[in-house]
Amino acid sequence: EVQLVESGGGLVQPGGSLRLSCAASGFTFSFYWMHWVRQVPGKGLVWVSRINGDGTNTSHADSVKGRFTISRDNAKNTLYLQMNSLRAEDTAVYYCTRDFPSYGPHFSNSFDPWGQGTLVTVSS
Amino acid sequence: FLLAQPHSVSESPGKTVVISCTRSSGSIASNYVQWYQQRPGSAPTIVIYEDNQRPSGVPDRFSGSIDSSSNSASLTVSGLKTEDEADYYCQSYDSSNHVVFGGGTKLTVL
Repeated sequence: EVQLVESGGGLVQPGGSLRLSCAASGFTFSFYWMHWVRQVPGKGLVWVSRINGDGTNTSHADSVKGRFTISRDNAKNTLYLQMNSLRAEDTAVYYCTRDFPSYGPHFSNSFDPWGQGTLVTVSS
Repeated sequence: FLLAQPHSVSESPGKTVVISCTRSSGSIASNYVQWYQQRPGSAPTIVIYEDNQRPSGVPDRFSGSIDSSSNSASLTVSGLKTEDEADYYCQSYDSSNHVVFGGGTKLTVL
């Protein structure tokens, strides 16, 4: 069974840092593009970042560029999101999700499955 | 660009509902549209990809289409069941691979 489990969320002060992790299982992790998508509770979905299978190609939304960094450790089947200079508007549930429907050198810009999410709250 | 969805729709069990998703600029046909279902307290799951493809395990009561004349995509759910009650999000991207989600539509099955 394909599973994605996020961790690392919590309360952090504005300007602070946090690193999210996403443990993957049930598939060949290194084959797939992976993404982070966030959702303010009660609001819509926002794409954050993507990374290719070997970690050499990354992209970030303009709203987080220069502050967030996506990375992966294929030996540990784990995806990361390093978040620096956090702002109140970064408060959200962060989901890790896999590119869908298949793997390869090109991403599809569609997402499934999704983890259960981890809540990040930026507040003083 | 933006993807505009109605805030909410409602319909009775057994009926059919259509949720629209209108692209503000650029052609709806230029880039694939996906649809996601998000039940309360749960993560999203994909129900339609590449405009009209249904992933395995998704009932054939769910179908997707695009209409270039209105520059919009539609998700049709037929034979409504109470378990279909959820938020539905459309999603697409542009030539620079900027990913955009619609604002979501709350489907209530009365």
